[in-house]
Amino acid sequence: EDKVVQSPLSLVVHEGDTVTLNCSYEVTNFRSLLWYKQEKKAPTFLFMLTSSGIEKKSGRLSSILDKKELFSILNITATQTGDSAVYLCAVLSSSSNQFYFGTGTSLTVIP
Amino acid sequence: KAGVTQTPRYLIKTRGQQVTLSCSPISGHRSVSWYQQTPGQGLQFLFEYFSETQRNKGNFPGRFSGRQFSNSRSEMNVSTLELGDSALYLCASSLRDQSSGNTIYFGEGSWLTVV
Repeated sequence: EDKVVQSPLSLVVHEGDTVTLNCSYEVTNFRSLLWYKQEKKAPTFLFMLTSSGIEKKSGRLSSILDKKELFSILNITATQTGDSAVYLCAVLSSSSNQFYFGTGTSLTVIP
Repeated sequence: KAGVTQTPRYLIKTRGQQVTLSCSPISGHRSVSWYQQTPGQGLQFLFEYFSETQRNKGNFPGRFSGRQFSNSRSEMNVSTLELGDSALYLCASSLRDQSSGNTIYFGEGSWLTVV
C-alpha cells in the first residue's frame, strides 16, 4: 500500500528557532515529492524534488530528498510567526499517476 | 494571473441531499484533480480530469462523481450525502495530466458540512 508519513505531527517553537520537518514514503515507482504550506486557505506550493541530494532553497526554507532511504526533510531557519501553518508532503507515483499526501505537520511559532 | 477558484466556499447540507462543487483552473491549465481533506485522513485523492476525460479515480464510492467542461472548468457532485462527507474539498490544477509530473496548484477549497 502506498503511503506517506510525516513527523512530527505538531511542533511548537519560538521565533528564531530552526525546525526540521520529516516526510518518509513508500510509494510504487516514485516520480517526485512536493512540499506545500497550508494556512487557513489553499495549500501553497513550496518545492518539487525529483533527484537525491540536490537541495532546493527559497529564502529561509530549504528541502532535500534521499531516494535511497525514501525520505525528505524541510528545514526552516530563523522561524517567524508567519511560518505557522500545516506543512504537507505529497509524493507522485508514476504507476498510478496519483499524488499521495501525508497528514501534515502543524507548526506553531510563538513570538 | 488568477489562481484556482472554487465555489461555493462554505455550505451546509442535510443528510440525503446532494451537492455540486465548482472549480475553475488557472488559465491555460487543462488538468483538474479533486481531493477530500479531513483531520484524520489528510488529503485523499478523488479523481482527475484532463481534456474532459476522467484519467484517474481514487477509492471513493460511486456517490462521488465529477466532470470537466471544454473550458477546463470542473464540477464534482456528491449524492445522498452522509455525515462522514463533511470535509474540505480541494481542487487542484496543472498544465497537463498528472502523468507528466507537473506541479499541482490548489484552490482555497469548499467547506462542506453535512448535518
